[in-house]
Amino acid sequence: SQQGEEDPQALSIQEGENATMNCSYKTSINNLQWYRQNSGRGLVHLILIRSNEREKHSGRLRVTLDTSKKSSSLLITASRAADTASYFCATDREYGNKLVFGAGTILRVKS
Amino acid sequence: DAGITQSPRYKITETGRQVTLMCHQTWSHSYMFWYRQDLGHGLRLIYYSAAADITDKGEVPDGYVVSRSKTENFPLTLESATRSQTSVYFCASSESGGQGGYTFGSGTRLTVV
Repeated sequence: SQQGEEDPQALSIQEGENATMNCSYKTSINNLQWYRQNSGRGLVHLILIRSNEREKHSGRLRVTLDTSKKSSSLLITASRAADTASYFCATDREYGNKLVFGAGTILRVKS
Repeated sequence: DAGITQSPRYKITETGRQVTLMCHQTWSHSYMFWYRQDLGHGLRLIYYSAAADITDKGEVPDGYVVSRSKTENFPLTLESATRSQTSVYFCASSESGGQGGYTFGSGTRLTVV
């Protein structure tokens, strides 16, 4: 069963706008990760945030983690057409040696 | 080139046939994984391996067999393909299992007719 559930399922925005995607999970975790998947390609690791961290940045990406609510958000600022992709969160279920992925959010950035 | 390579990229097979999907990585990562991706289900773990000769079941292992005689290779075999195994299959590797990022292959699109 899926550990992470992304919300919304799909998001369409204009180039230059910010995109926010949310992920909720069910069990305790040690880390949460976000991945991007372009159409027809494999997933690419974007960022990892550990359970003792609340916020992390990488370029135009900002990830927050609220372990009390078992939720995370991924913010992409100043979006570009090239950001069009599916975005997945994944969790390790507390020091597990494998990741469980959510169903993903499809992001479309219109130019 | 270094990386993780899956083959074939596309495969059509008939119901009941055995088919093997190949996965090769050049980083000597300890962990390797097989996921299947289906609409509405996201990625589901089939099997994973923590090291050579160590494999374990994931969420949906029925109908699949894996082996890992060498660190760099992790083939996935469908013993008797069924239409429900039509999917996109992704192989991934990681140095630290769930404690670090995964590197994914480009996937194999398998159609069972």
